Amino acid sequence: DVKVTQSSRYLVKRTGEKVFLECVQDMDHENMFWYRQDPGLGLRLIYFSYDVKMKEKGDIPEGYSVSREKKERFSLILESASTNQTSMYLCASSPSDAGVGETQYFGPGTRLLVL
Amino acid sequence: DAKTTQPTSMDCAEGRAANLPCNHSTISGNEYVYWYRQIHSQGPQYIIHGLKNNETNEMASLIITEDRKSSTLILPHATLRDTAVYYCIVLKTSYDKVIFGPGTSLSVIP
Repeated sequence: DVKVTQSSRYLVKRTGEKVFLECVQDMDHENMFWYRQDPGLGLRLIYFSYDVKMKEKGDIPEGYSVSREKKERFSLILESASTNQTSMYLCASSPSDAGVGETQYFGPGTRLLVL
Repeated sequence: DAKTTQPTSMDCAEGRAANLPCNHSTISGNEYVYWYRQIHSQGPQYIIHGLKNNETNEMASLIITEDRKSSTLILPHATLRDTAVYYCIVLKTSYDKVIFGPGTSLSVIP
């Protein structure tokens, strides 16, 4: 079974703090993603990476950065946390598409509260 | 924007089959239909996917109409643990961004 793990289930931080969210997958997947999920807004893509040291901006990259130094690990960084970054953060991974409809597998999520 | 429409909510008696419909009338020929579910406060869980043939796995069955404009997810014997929001999406590749619509909130009733 694919396993995507996230470093914390719940996190409370103060405005202005630097926040690191870690994601690890154990299936040697090439693609990794960071989303945030908010009520009424659904799932929104922040950043994704299709290879080590590669990253692409998603729909809402402002206020975030990412790091992918190893294939299995994709980190999301909030440079200076703000209250509007309070959200559920979801990491996902997928293999490179092999033409057979590979899918994205999600981690359990991190609920971040910024005070 | 989500390219699928689903009923907002459904109830199902425990032990009975739950049939969750999804419309995807604008699906293109190389897009797959995927189903995920999300139990409260957890990450989305992949259930099943298909292109044009019906599919079955240990969790569910997926029935896709011949014109591919709609599909039905079938949970053959619903349990209380199947209570969740179920999302139907279409994706072309594994690196397309996942867009969830509101989904169907399924309540399995004892």
